[in-house]
Amino acid sequence: EDKVVQSPLSLVVHEGDTVTLNCSYEVTNFRSLLWYKQEKKAPTFLFMLTSSGIEKKSGRLSSILDKKELFSILNITATQTGDSAVYLCAGFSQGNTPLVFGKGTRLSVIA
Amino acid sequence: GAGVSQSPSNKVTEKGKDVELRCDPISGHTALYWYRQSLGQGLEFLIYFQGNSAPDKSGLPSDRFSAERTGGSVSTLTIQRTQQEDSAVYLCASRLRTDTQYFGPGTRLTVL
Repeated sequence: EDKVVQSPLSLVVHEGDTVTLNCSYEVTNFRSLLWYKQEKKAPTFLFMLTSSGIEKKSGRLSSILDKKELFSILNITATQTGDSAVYLCAGFSQGNTPLVFGKGTRLSVIA
Repeated sequence: GAGVSQSPSNKVTEKGKDVELRCDPISGHTALYWYRQSLGQGLEFLIYFQGNSAPDKSGLPSDRFSAERTGGSVSTLTIQRTQQEDSAVYLCASRLRTDTQYFGPGTRLTVL
């Protein structure tokens, strides 16, 4: 059975800290890994990763995929209170299969 | 519209009643997915539609759940004889060609 495991489940940091969120996956016919940020209800798309070792970057957020070790990390530098959210990682297989989600990491950034 | 829309945003119902949740995907997106997120849990796949193909219903938790997609666009998720364990946020997502699924704002269902 396909599964995605995220760690830690929750994290509390101070503004300005750098955080690393982890995601390991076991997905049959793996094609891509996606990161989402969920603040209230709707997850908003952050990154899609398909190739190992190529960092994707957006502002203070960056992510990288390791297809040999089957994991990905999401880094957030100089954290702000607006970064507080649940960060979801999901694996995607070949074809039109649904995403397989991890349970998420709840990040709380305190001033 | 520019994004996926869902209605209602919140629904409170009594145990045993039927509910209908609606999803309007991004225009032109051929794939549509329904997920459920219970408190403190990750997203659980329910059903997806791809073009005119038969839907994949493998995630539906019981035969009280059903969904249809009319004209390849709007989708309705129906839950019959609701139970308290059905309380959750129901999320709809659509995609076109890339792997990225775009989510709607969800419907928070509370069954009393």
